[in-house]
Amino acid sequence: QKEVEQDPGPLSVPEGAIVSLNCTYSNSAFQYFMWYRQYSRKGPELLMYTYSSGNKEDGRFTAQVDKSSKYISLFIRDSQPSDSATYLCAMTGGYGNNRLAFGKGNQVVVIP
Amino acid sequence: NAGVTQTPKFRILKIGQSMTLQCTQDMNHNYMYWYRQDPGMGLKLIYYSVGAGITDKGEVPNGYNVSRSTTEDFPLRLELAAPSQTSVYFCASSYATQLPEAFFGQGTRLTVV
Repeated sequence: QKEVEQDPGPLSVPEGAIVSLNCTYSNSAFQYFMWYRQYSRKGPELLMYTYSSGNKEDGRFTAQVDKSSKYISLFIRDSQPSDSATYLCAMTGGYGNNRLAFGKGNQVVVIP
Repeated sequence: NAGVTQTPKFRILKIGQSMTLQCTQDMNHNYMYWYRQDPGMGLKLIYYSVGAGITDKGEVPNGYNVSRSTTEDFPLRLELAAPSQTSVYFCASSYATQLPEAFFGQGTRLTVV
């Protein structure tokens, strides 16, 4: 079983729709759960992170972590064409164990 | 503030040639990483370093070498390039004792023909 599973299928949604992305993982040592956004021909940039279980909201973005199910999600409300990018989940054990394990990424296209 | 800088941005190599991908960061980060990204495959860790003079293998180290003589620089060496090394290469860095957010460079797009 891979450490991080993210179904890499592309996603096309109309502007204003809710985008839902998720990842599962197998390593119980993971403590930090991150979502990176990568625009075409650019390097990934950290979008938001969550420590341990729970929800975190940042504007139109909500990240959820359920450690009991080893499942994380990212929701984008009121999606905009500028949200069109690849979204990668990533996780790590934290301080002193900084190696990030990445999912394969989801390409999201928001159609005006 | 330049962050993580990679050179070159693009390169075409012939099979069997060698090259070095350069990476430098100006954030005084302890940790540095090299990833490769293939379409639909996410980021795969090639090598990483936890500080000057210390390097270790990641998931896909074969065909690559690294060195870390300074905190700032972490070059990736390709010896005897093969078509399977056609990919986009990203260098990244992070703090050792803070949130392990990785800062990425803009990538090097390498084609081996």
